[in-house]
Amino acid sequence: DADVTQTPRNRITKTGKRIMLECSQTKGHDRMYWYRQDPGLGLQLIYYSFDVKDINKGEISDGYSVSRQAQAKFSLSLESAIPNQTALYFCATRDGATDTQYFGPGTRLTVL
Amino acid sequence: AQSVTQPDIHITVSEGASLELRCNYSYGATPYLFWYVQSPGQGLQLLLKYFSGDTLVQGIKGFEAEFKRSQSSFNLRKPSVHWSDAAEYFCAVVPRGNNDMRFGAGTRLTVKP
Repeated sequence: DADVTQTPRNRITKTGKRIMLECSQTKGHDRMYWYRQDPGLGLQLIYYSFDVKDINKGEISDGYSVSRQAQAKFSLSLESAIPNQTALYFCATRDGATDTQYFGPGTRLTVL
Repeated sequence: AQSVTQPDIHITVSEGASLELRCNYSYGATPYLFWYVQSPGQGLQLLLKYFSGDTLVQGIKGFEAEFKRSQSSFNLRKPSVHWSDAAEYFCAVVPRGNNDMRFGAGTRLTVKP
């Protein structure tokens, strides 16, 4: 089984809809991250969390919110989706001892 | 400004040829350095990382990278490319004392038969 899983893997939605992307991990890491990937821009950090009570904004948090329900779960929400949020979204965890990040398979979101 | 730069957006090499992907960074202190690979439709997989010590780092799949402090570079190399190496490659840094991993824009590798 994969260490970092994301659901759904693909989602098509309409402008104005609320969307939640979910991430679960079995690596036991405290640190979790949400990124979006756009062609030619690499990965940009949306939010990160060091534990269930510690949530931090990243480079591009506007239009997004997150929830850390448990050490193993970190959800990303788009309260009112817009077309320029069409992108590939990745969840990641970080091993605090080695500073190495482990990525989920990604969620491809299309907002029409 | 602090940044991670991958100067080459797209590189094409023939199967069996050598490969070098460039990565430059601009940070006050040498950050932790990483290379990740993303195959089509997949997440990112760690190839190798450099924290300190020997400046030539060996990774998985036959890749290596060399840290050059004088050039603020961490270039990825492979002596002989295989068709399965076609993917997108990302250089990433974690600045010392920081919690964010910052990524370059990526280099897409095409392998010709």
